[in-house]
This record gives sequence, C-alpha cells and structure tokens, in this order.
Amino acid sequence: DAKTTQPPSMDCAEGRAANLPCNHSTISGNEYVYWYRQIHSQGPQYIIHGLKNNETNEMASLIITEDRKSSTLILPHATLRDTAVYYCIVRAPKNYGGSQGNLIFGKGTKLSVKP
Amino acid sequence: DTEVTQTPKHLVMGMTNKKSLKCEQHMGHRAMYWYKQKAKKPPELMFVYSYEKLSINESVPSRFSPECPNSSLLNLHLHALQPEDSALYLCASSQDFPRRVTNYGYTFGSGTRLTVV
Repeated sequence: DAKTTQPPSMDCAEGRAANLPCNHSTISGNEYVYWYRQIHSQGPQYIIHGLKNNETNEMASLIITEDRKSSTLILPHATLRDTAVYYCIVRAPKNYGGSQGNLIFGKGTKLSVKP
Repeated sequence: DTEVTQTPKHLVMGMTNKKSLKCEQHMGHRAMYWYKQKAKKPPELMFVYSYEKLSINESVPSRFSPECPNSSLLNLHLHALQPEDSALYLCASSQDFPRRVTNYGYTFGSGTRLTVV
C-alpha cells in the first residue's frame, strides 16, 4: 500500500473549518483514500473514504485532487470534540484471505480544536 | 448492533501469568483483526482472520496466540509477556467476501489497556 505524508500537528479555532492535508504521491489506480480519527484512549473511528470523486457525509468532506496525489479532509465546523489524531490511509481493495488491502496506519495529524 | 466490544478494558498481569483478551461483534463481519498500539504511536497490525481462519500473522512473537472460535468472537491469548508488551490492544472487524474484493471500512473496539509488571 502507498505511503502517506501528513503534518504532525494542526490547530483550529472552534466553529471554523478544519482542513487536514494528506500527500500520497505514489498512490496506485485501484487504491482508495481513507480517513480515520482516534480520540484519546479510544479506538480509531472511520470518517470517510474515496477513490477519485469528492465525497461528503455527515461527518466530513473529502477532496481528492485530479491527479490523486493528494487529498484534504474538511471538518466544516470544528468542535472541541473533534480534537483527535487524524489518519490518512491509502489502501487497495481487500482480497479475501490475502495480504492486500489491510488497514496500515501512518503517524497521522494531531488536530487540536481550541475555544 | 454496530459495535465491537472488547473485554476487559484494563488488565494488569505478571510476566508469568496467562490471560486472554476477548473481542465480540454481531455485525456479520467475517474479517477480524488485532492491532497493538504503544503510547503516542499509530496502531500496528498483528493478526488478520478471514472466515475464522488466520490469514496474516505480522511476525508476532509466539507469546501472543490468537483464536477465532466462531464468526462473532476473537480472542488473544497472552503468556509469558514482557513489560515492553504493555500497550493498548485494539480489535477491529470488517466485511469480507470470498471471490470478491471489497473496500469496506473497519469498525474498531475501544481496546484493552494492558500493563505487564
């Protein structure tokens, strides 16, 4: 699976949009971009994923560049509860019983939302 | 039920003890995973089960022994651990289908915080 590069930390003011960047310049054609977050002392939580098109759900929006070499996770109105480590993961589809497609975490971005 | 439940939440064990961590899900997921997470580090994949069969062991020492007795349960048996094995142990599950590639997300439990003394 391709590696990703994220800034180690970011700050965001409460109520403002948080834009978390991720570089994945070696992404392959069949690899998806996933975002997870981990609030302190909890298990990781799935946020969103996409292949080529921009995606939006109730938690966030995912913007993927046309060349797919980078993406941005957008939390439209950050709250204090969004303080967490955010992981951008590039992952191939999972093959049954195979080694491909398992979720491998990088270092992530520690987002601190401040009042 | 959309949760992965891990028990116990906290465990302290001596280096000569034998203990087990338990993970349960009732979402019909047929892939289950164990991850280990040290403080201030990302989770590291340890084991992958597909349809109750071990498909991946990421070179984990034999003092960690996984078991998948049925499609809803995943255990991690611990024996003769070292203090450096102290960590948060996370279980996860996802959909999995033979003869299909899938891109489903994983659902994680809250983890068992293990301290080896």
